[in-house]
Amino acid sequence: SYVLTQPPSVSVAPGETARITCGGNNIGRQTVHWYQQKPGQAPVVVIYYDNDRPAGIPERLSGSKSANTATLTISRVEAGDEADYFCQLWDSDTDHYVFGSGTKVTVL
Amino acid sequence: QVQLVQSGAEVKKPGASVRISCRSSGYSFSSFHIHWVRQAPGHGLEWMARINPSDDTTTYAQNLQGRVIVASDTSTRTVYMELSSLRSEDTAIYYCVRSKDIVTYFDLWGRGTLVTVYS
Repeated sequence: SYVLTQPPSVSVAPGETARITCGGNNIGRQTVHWYQQKPGQAPVVVIYYDNDRPAGIPERLSGSKSANTATLTISRVEAGDEADYFCQLWDSDTDHYVFGSGTKVTVL
Repeated sequence: QVQLVQSGAEVKKPGASVRISCRSSGYSFSSFHIHWVRQAPGHGLEWMARINPSDDTTTYAQNLQGRVIVASDTSTRTVYMELSSLRSEDTAIYYCVRSKDIVTYFDLWGRGTLVTVYS
């Protein structure tokens, strides 16, 4: 089955840039979505179709991909960005949905 | 208001079954797929199942085949998920989630239902 690998944690100072990676075999050929989850809340999509933002999501959040890595970039990090972030895709080979293990972003 | 409203928390013994409901409102019920995604305490997200309410076709995660059943009731705009032969590892928050079609993202989440399995 398809596996998405994320670092467990990323720490960043306010105003700096956080980069959250999501590794997967040939992920560059897949469509990747990103979710933010704050404590006690359900996840919310923050990036869909690799680099589109839903209404209300600031331009500071962006997505990108290379051959085997997708990246969520949070520029000018704010305290409110502190959350868990999950990448996700649909695996057409199995018709299953795969989530990364999640990355906890801590704002120092 | 566009939302998914889930049933309340459940406590079950090992070996029992649990049935969770997810009632939709504010959008065309048959135009979106409904999925179930669970999250064990302190862990990540796990996709479990999908149903298309327009024709009741279902797809289940391979590791849960035989233990999970999802059904929809168009008259009440409600989707149900039943998980049987419960184990302690099934203790989790269960979310119902919406997507426009099979390949796209999850754009609407319920608040989640906590299921606790212990003896």
